[in-house]
Amino acid sequence: GQQLNQNPQSMFIQEGEDVSMNCTSSSIFNTWLWYKQDPGEGPVLLIALYKAGELTSNGRLTAQFGITRKDSFLNISASIPSDVGIYFCAGHGSGNTGKLIFGQGTTLQVKP
Amino acid sequence: KAGVTQTPRYLIKTRGQQVTLSCSPISGHRSVSWYQQTPGQGLQFLFEYFSETQRNKGNFPGRFSGRQFSNSRSEMNVSTLELGDSALYLCASSRGLNRGSEKLFFGSGTQLSVL
Repeated sequence: GQQLNQNPQSMFIQEGEDVSMNCTSSSIFNTWLWYKQDPGEGPVLLIALYKAGELTSNGRLTAQFGITRKDSFLNISASIPSDVGIYFCAGHGSGNTGKLIFGQGTTLQVKP
Repeated sequence: KAGVTQTPRYLIKTRGQQVTLSCSPISGHRSVSWYQQTPGQGLQFLFEYFSETQRNKGNFPGRFSGRQFSNSRSEMNVSTLELGDSALYLCASSRGLNRGSEKLFFGSGTQLSVL
C-alpha cells in the first residue's frame, strides 16, 4: 500500500535534546497530521496542519506544512522520557474521507 | 467525552475461521474508518463508513468487510482468516464532514493473532 517516506526511522537521544523528523510524499496533500503511538495503544493526534507554510505548536512540539505541500516536519524541543514512542506523519487529500496515508513511523527513545 | 472504544482487545483465531471486531466512535462522530497495522506494511486504510454507507475503500480483498449501524457504531468482519491477517486493527472516528473529516481519533485497537 501507499506510504509516505518518513525519516529518520529511529532515534536514540539524551533527555533535554531537541528532535527533528520529516515526511515527504510524491503527491500533494491538503492536510498534514502528526500522531504519536505508545506501545499497546492507538495513535494519538498531536498536530494538524491545513495550509502550505503553516507553522503550528503544541507545547514543546512544533510542526510545519511544507511549501510544496509534499512534505512536513516535526520538531520536539527539550525532550523528556515520556516523549518515547513512535511518531507518524499522515497526509489527507481532498474531500470528505477518513483515508489517511501514513509514514512508516519514527521510533524515538530518550535516555534519562 | 468518551474516546473510541474497540472490543475485544485481543483475539486468537485459527486459519479458516472468521472474526468480527467492534468499534464505538466518539459521541457525535458520524464517520468510522478501519486501519490495519503490521510491522511490515505499517498503517494501511481498510475502509470508511459514514451514515451507514461505505464511503471509501482501501486495497484489501473481499474477505474484509464492514458495516455501520444507525448509532454510528461499526463492525469489521474478516472471513477465511489467513496467517497474514495477524495484525493490530485500529478503528478511528471523525466528524466526517468538511474540515472535520481528516482529524481521526483512534481507539486502542484489537490485536488479532491467527495461528
